[in-house]
Amino acid sequence: QVKLLQSGAELVKPGASVKLSCKTSGFTFSTSYMSWLKQVPGPSIEWIGWIYAGDGGTNYNQKFKGKATLTVDKSSSTAYMDLSSLTSEDAAVYFCARGPTRFAYWGQGTLVTVSS
Amino acid sequence: DIQMTQSPASLSASLGETVTIECLASEDIYSNLAWYQQKPGKSPQLLIYDASSLQDGVPSRFSGSESGTQYSLEINSLQSEDAATYFCQQHHDYPYTFGAGTKLELK
Repeated sequence: QVKLLQSGAELVKPGASVKLSCKTSGFTFSTSYMSWLKQVPGPSIEWIGWIYAGDGGTNYNQKFKGKATLTVDKSSSTAYMDLSSLTSEDAAVYFCARGPTRFAYWGQGTLVTVSS
Repeated sequence: DIQMTQSPASLSASLGETVTIECLASEDIYSNLAWYQQKPGKSPQLLIYDASSLQDGVPSRFSGSESGTQYSLEINSLQSEDAATYFCQQHHDYPYTFGAGTKLELK
């Protein structure tokens, strides 16, 4: 069955960067789109962007350009998201999900806390 | 960006009742709409896609409909496990956007 296993919670200092991972199984990763989403209490959800594992092509929400960088490692069927220059506004739960448009499969989420 | 105005923000209903949650898109999204259910501490679960198609494994008491730019999620015969927050999401145009959520409580 489809599984998306995300890395554990992160506590990062303001101005630092963090790399989140999403290890997948149960489907053909190399021809799949992987998306990333952000959820803050409220409980609003924002779409960050997607990456096509086949060729590494990406599509970002303009709001997250320069903030998030999506990559994949096809050899390990893992998707990654780098978040840079973190501020308190980046504190959230981040989800990976399979698909470019609607999301039937989600990771369990990674909590990112930004604090000195 | 396309704005998705979701209502109500919260509602309380009894077991067995029928409730309706709505999302109004700021422009035509051509049925490119999904509904999700999220329980505390869990990931969202896809319920409905393409405005009215039921995702595999989702109980048939969930249904979706549309009228112009207004999209609705109806839950019939409420069960205790339906207590959750529900979101709509448009995927017609970038950036994809979500409604603010509706918290459903069971009396």
